[in-house]
Amino acid sequence: DAGITQSPRHKVTETGTPVTLRCHQTENHRYMYWYRQDPGHGLRLIHYSYGVKDTDKGEVSDGYSVSRSKTEDFLLTLESATSSQTSVYFCAISEERASYEQYFGPGTRLTVT
Amino acid sequence: GENVEQHPSTLSVQEGDSAVIKCTYSDSASNYFPWYKQELGKRPQLIIDIRSNVGEKKDQRIAVTLNKTAKHFSLHITETQPEDSAVYFCAAQWTGANNLFFGTGTRLTVIP
Repeated sequence: DAGITQSPRHKVTETGTPVTLRCHQTENHRYMYWYRQDPGHGLRLIHYSYGVKDTDKGEVSDGYSVSRSKTEDFLLTLESATSSQTSVYFCAISEERASYEQYFGPGTRLTVT
Repeated sequence: GENVEQHPSTLSVQEGDSAVIKCTYSDSASNYFPWYKQELGKRPQLIIDIRSNVGEKKDQRIAVTLNKTAKHFSLHITETQPEDSAVYFCAAQWTGANNLFFGTGTRLTVIP
């Protein structure tokens, strides 16, 4: 597996609380992505980054924000968690644009009660 | 944006038989089509990909075909084995995009 980790791996939080998930890579890849995975929906892109401080929205970005202050770290923040954000969150990295292989992190299971 | 449809959602085959999963895409400008395999509780991993200038690609028991005119592509697994049991995702990227659009997944079960 590529050098990509996610923290925490599991989290239970209450509705209305802020949550930050961290993705860390040691591959020096330019692109980083946050997906959520839900039954019946596959993998849906939340946000992605194409460089330090360069980010863009994906198809399900409402309620989420991201930051990338260093090449190796990409943070996903839920400003005020809702039950609809209960999901498994995957970070992915790729050397260049999406037409290169994406390597996925181990995932974070988030439960919002 | 791109829309990717994947069928079937579940597929059961006997060990040794072949399995075929099909995906259609909406944007004729799409040019990259990867397939990912996700075992239970694990992360998705790329198993094969194809670009729009190629009609077919093989890697041992796995092959992918692309029909640009009809805008569909398929994953073929021959001589299936129990370890092929997993969820398979297709994806597409259209020219100029920085991200992939994934299908909803196919749960393949290989019965010993």
